[in-house]
Amino acid sequence: GAVVSQHPSRVICKSGTSVKIECRSLDFQATTMFWYRQFPKQSLMLMATSNEGSKATYEQGVEKDKFLINHASLTLSTLTVTSAHPEDSSFYICSASDDRGQGYTFGSGTRLTVV
Amino acid sequence: GENVEQHPSTLSVQEGDSAVIKCTYSDSASNYFPWYKQELGKGPQLIIDIRSNVGEKKDQRIAVTLNKTAKHFSLHITETQPEDSAVYFCAARVSWGKLQFGAGTQVVVTP
Repeated sequence: GAVVSQHPSRVICKSGTSVKIECRSLDFQATTMFWYRQFPKQSLMLMATSNEGSKATYEQGVEKDKFLINHASLTLSTLTVTSAHPEDSSFYICSASDDRGQGYTFGSGTRLTVV
Repeated sequence: GENVEQHPSTLSVQEGDSAVIKCTYSDSASNYFPWYKQELGKGPQLIIDIRSNVGEKKDQRIAVTLNKTAKHFSLHITETQPEDSAVYFCAARVSWGKLQFGAGTQVVVTP
């Protein structure tokens, strides 16, 4: 079946630094990539949607200059958390769908801790 | 926008018993309803899904029912096993392909 590889699985960074999270679709073309944030014991909250080659569309309340999304190819999307602060500590998950819209494949998530 | 409500928030069942989780949605245009299982520290895994032109779907011990008129759908797990313990999320697909998730149900199966 479809697989999305997400890296790193966990990262610790210092306040003020930037962190990049990668998601790769291994056996299909990810036309659309969704990025979610999940706080402990809570549901997945959509941060942004990106289509290959286009600018990402951010959900209300999500700072586009802080959470940079790049979807330059059909197999790779990245989320960069810039100038990270402790309140950015969370579980970040990507999800990819192809142009057939048949379903969504989730990555394994990245646990970000900002100290 | 779409609002998905999920109940219960926690569910404890004895091994071998059945578990039922219910979700309601608000947008009648929603046409795809997946269920995900999420284990601690991992991404969600699709366990079953249903489209709006179908009323029921079954896959071994797991089944999903959809009532479009009432705008609710349910997950049924029969013969529960300890490895079924996890958080389960329902979701509904809204405009532009986005999924709106329910709040999640923590299922604990006790041996």
